[in-house]
Amino acid sequence: QVQLQESGPGLVKPSETLSLTCTVSGGSVSSGSYYWSWIRQPPGKGLEWIGYIYYSGSTNYNPSLKSRVTISADTSKNQFSLKLSSVTAADTAVYYCARVEGGYVYYWGQGTLVTVSS
Amino acid sequence: QSALTQPPSASGSPGQSVTISCTGTSSDVGGYNYVSWYQQHPGKAPKLMIYEVSKRPSGVPDRFSGSKSGNTASLTVSGLQAEDEADYYCSSYAASNNFVFGTGTKVTVL
Repeated sequence: QVQLQESGPGLVKPSETLSLTCTVSGGSVSSGSYYWSWIRQPPGKGLEWIGYIYYSGSTNYNPSLKSRVTISADTSKNQFSLKLSSVTAADTAVYYCARVEGGYVYYWGQGTLVTVSS
Repeated sequence: QSALTQPPSASGSPGQSVTISCTGTSSDVGGYNYVSWYQQHPGKAPKLMIYEVSKRPSGVPDRFSGSKSGNTASLTVSGLQAEDEADYYCSSYAASNNFVFGTGTKVTVL
C-alpha cells in the first residue's frame, strides 16, 4: 500500500518561497513508470496540476506556473519536493502530493494547507 | 492550458441517475483515452472513481460509469445514494505531457 505524506510550513510570507516535501512509503520514487506530482486546491475552488517529476528524474510543469516552480526528488530519502517562488495570496491552497500512473491519480496525500500572508 | 469545462452543479433524487459532462479540446480529452474522474467530499482528498475513460478501480460501485465522445467525456452515477453527494472533477492527459483538471461539479442528492 503506497502512502504519501506532505510536510512543510503552513504559513508563508508574500514574495517568499513556498517549500513542501512529500515522503513516500510503500513505493520508490525512482522506480516504476510513475509521475510524482503536486496538485493544489485554493479554498472553495477546483483542483490544479502544478507539475511532476517522472521516476527517471525528468520534470514537467503547468505552463501557468512554470516560471516559479521547481520539483525535485531525493531518492535516498524516498521524497520529492515542491518549491514555488514569489508567492502571493493567490497561492494560498491545500497542496496535495500524488502518484500519477497511466494518466490518473490513485494515491493521494492527505493534503496540507499553505496560507500566504504577512 | 485551460481547465476542462464542467457544469457547476447537478442534482437528482435518490435512485435516479445524474450525468456530468467534461468538455475539452482535441489536445486533451479528444486526443487521448486518459480521462479520469474523482469524487471529493468536504475536507477530504479526491478519490479516483473512473480511469482511462470508462474503467473502474477495485471497490468503486458499478453505479459509476464513464464514456467519451469527441472532445467531451461524461460520468454517470446511476441509482443515486446519499453518500454520492460530493464534488466531482474530471481530468485528462494533455499535449506536451501535461495534465489538466475540470472546473468541478457539485452533485446534490435531493
